[in-house]
Amino acid sequence: NAGVTQTPKFQVLKTGQSMTLQCAQDMNHEYMSWYRQDPGMGLRLIHYSVGAGITDQGEVPNGYNVSRSTTEDFPLRLLSAAPSQTSVYFCASRQGGGVSYEQYFGPGTRLTVT
Amino acid sequence: KQEVTQIPAALSVPEGENLVLNCSFTDSAIYNLQWFRQDPGKGLTSLLLIQSSQREQTSGRLNASLDKSSGRSTLYIAASQPGDSATYLCAVKDNYGQNFVFGPGTRLSVLP
Repeated sequence: NAGVTQTPKFQVLKTGQSMTLQCAQDMNHEYMSWYRQDPGMGLRLIHYSVGAGITDQGEVPNGYNVSRSTTEDFPLRLLSAAPSQTSVYFCASRQGGGVSYEQYFGPGTRLTVT
Repeated sequence: KQEVTQIPAALSVPEGENLVLNCSFTDSAIYNLQWFRQDPGKGLTSLLLIQSSQREQTSGRLNASLDKSSGRSTLYIAASQPGDSATYLCAVKDNYGQNFVFGPGTRLSVLP
């Protein structure tokens, strides 16, 4: 099992550019989520999905879009990058309802917007 | 709205010491609590998961306790080693939704 994988590891964008951060998991987890991590603020939830075709907003969704066409993949799209979106982005997955809800994280994407 | 805090924000100890990291949450109606370790520039690694019905969990030199009524969890690290140096985060899942709320983390340095 590769677990949760994210690409790219690093990215530099100019203001106004768009891009997609990729996330994939091979554990057949129903639930996937995207977080951003900023110094002193902990991890904040951007969007999440409870299964293929179902997505919902988290705490800080503005400026980001997601879709979930397969169980394995959960890409995060930045529509028009802004300097405030400079952050480290983490994708996570876990099993669906009941059980332990233990989360598994990817290695992160470090994004800089200039 | 659930809020999670961690004290201290940073801690520096000599090798071999036993230490305690604290996590507090405002809403006691939690489903579970998870402790993570994060090395610089890396992702999060799960250390321990405590269900709401449990009082503690142990893994090697790590012991995590949970007191729901007081809104607190502690992570106890025995006989600390320089390799334990990392940021430790706690996250709680409440009974209402699907998501976890994270604390800001405690940055631990264990000096040789």
